[in-house]
Amino acid sequence: SQTIHQWPATLVQPVGSPLSLECTVEGTSNPNLYWYRQAAGRGLQLLFYSVGIGQISSEVPQNLSASRPQDRQFILSSKKLLLSDSGFYLCAWSEDYGYTFGSGTRLTVV
Amino acid sequence: GNSVTQMEGPVTLSEEAFLTINCTYTATGYPSLFWYVQYPGEGLQLLLKATKADDKGSNKGFEATYRKETTSFHLEKGSVQVSDSAVYFCALSDLDYKLSFGAGTTVTVRA
Repeated sequence: SQTIHQWPATLVQPVGSPLSLECTVEGTSNPNLYWYRQAAGRGLQLLFYSVGIGQISSEVPQNLSASRPQDRQFILSSKKLLLSDSGFYLCAWSEDYGYTFGSGTRLTVV
Repeated sequence: GNSVTQMEGPVTLSEEAFLTINCTYTATGYPSLFWYVQYPGEGLQLLLKATKADDKGSNKGFEATYRKETTSFHLEKGSVQVSDSAVYFCALSDLDYKLSFGAGTTVTVRA
């Protein structure tokens, strides 16, 4: 069966520090992968998506970047975090209109 | 572009009350429609979906019908429980497989 792992579950980071969130999927090959962010009191916003290794599309300009070094690995990064980067980050994969979300990472930038 | 407009919350109900959360969409093609639920402290879970007009998605007592003529996908449950307290998101996906979400509706059910 397909599973998706996302870590860490919670993270508190100081402003200006780097960020690396990792997401891996199992039980599928060549999935479409996504990073979404849910800011406090707001809906989900698509940040990045990837249709294959090394292929990243950015939906909105921001302080973040994404990489896909392996077929089933998707990484969200930042060189210097801003206060506005705080939020709930969700990784997801899709196949034929089916979406599976990870359990999310709650990031607080202080 | 695609967009989803969802009834604003928060919504507070008593147990066994009827719940409706309105959702309308704008899409250039023929999207699939979804309702996702986020329980406190957890990630998103798919609640139900419909992939074409007049389809009805149902799960856990919740229902939603894909209405192309009114571009709507309203979520309903006839008798809510305390365990239904959560944030509900309406979403759509078109041929590009990307999900567009509504802002979410927080539902609180009181015993």
